[in-house]
Amino acid sequence: AQSVTQLGSHVSVSEGALVLLRCNYSSSVPPYLFWYVQYPNQGLQLLLKYTTGATLVKGINGFEAEFKKSETSFHLTKPSAHMSDAAEYFCAVSSSNYGGATNKLIFGTGTLLAVQP
Amino acid sequence: DVKVTQSSRYLVKRTGEKVFLECVQDMDHENMFWYRQDPGLGLRLIYFSYDVKMKEKGDIPEGYSVSREKKERFSLILESASTNQTSMYLCASSLSFRLPSSYEQYFGPGTRLTVT
Repeated sequence: AQSVTQLGSHVSVSEGALVLLRCNYSSSVPPYLFWYVQYPNQGLQLLLKYTTGATLVKGINGFEAEFKKSETSFHLTKPSAHMSDAAEYFCAVSSSNYGGATNKLIFGTGTLLAVQP
Repeated sequence: DVKVTQSSRYLVKRTGEKVFLECVQDMDHENMFWYRQDPGLGLRLIYFSYDVKMKEKGDIPEGYSVSREKKERFSLILESASTNQTSMYLCASSLSFRLPSSYEQYFGPGTRLTVT
């Protein structure tokens, strides 16, 4: 069964510093991987996704993530944090069931990013 | 842009009441989902639907039911609300399970339900 582990439920960085949010997955089939962001009192918004092809994926708001199969990781990075990046971030992996007839997303427990001025 | 709307942002109900949460999407998506979100537990799937009148249990279906009479609308029903159902409820939709490139889900703003 697929699973997702996000290391660090809370991460704090200074404005302008590198953002690194960690995600490791477990999957018995080639995974599709996603990062979502949730701002306070809002739903989740897709940041970026990896399906096939290039392993370095660029998303919105300057974020990117790299799929590393050997490490079963999909860490999210941003070179320079901005105050507006403060939010909760969720990593997710697709779950293939019923021979692929239905696919669900399995979410990690989230990482709350704080950005200090 | 895909738009997923939920009937209420905040809802307060009493224990034992029947509660309806409504979700509507405007992009002709085949799949719709209901999650609950609790601190430290992430998102947990309650039910999903891949077609009108079709539904599948998720990871935590106990105490909930769903209805999908029209493609654009997916309702979550709490038959007899209890205090442990106090939570944030998120609805989502996705285009189709037949297209791997469309597995991503689009979320509504959420309904924060308090059961007293």
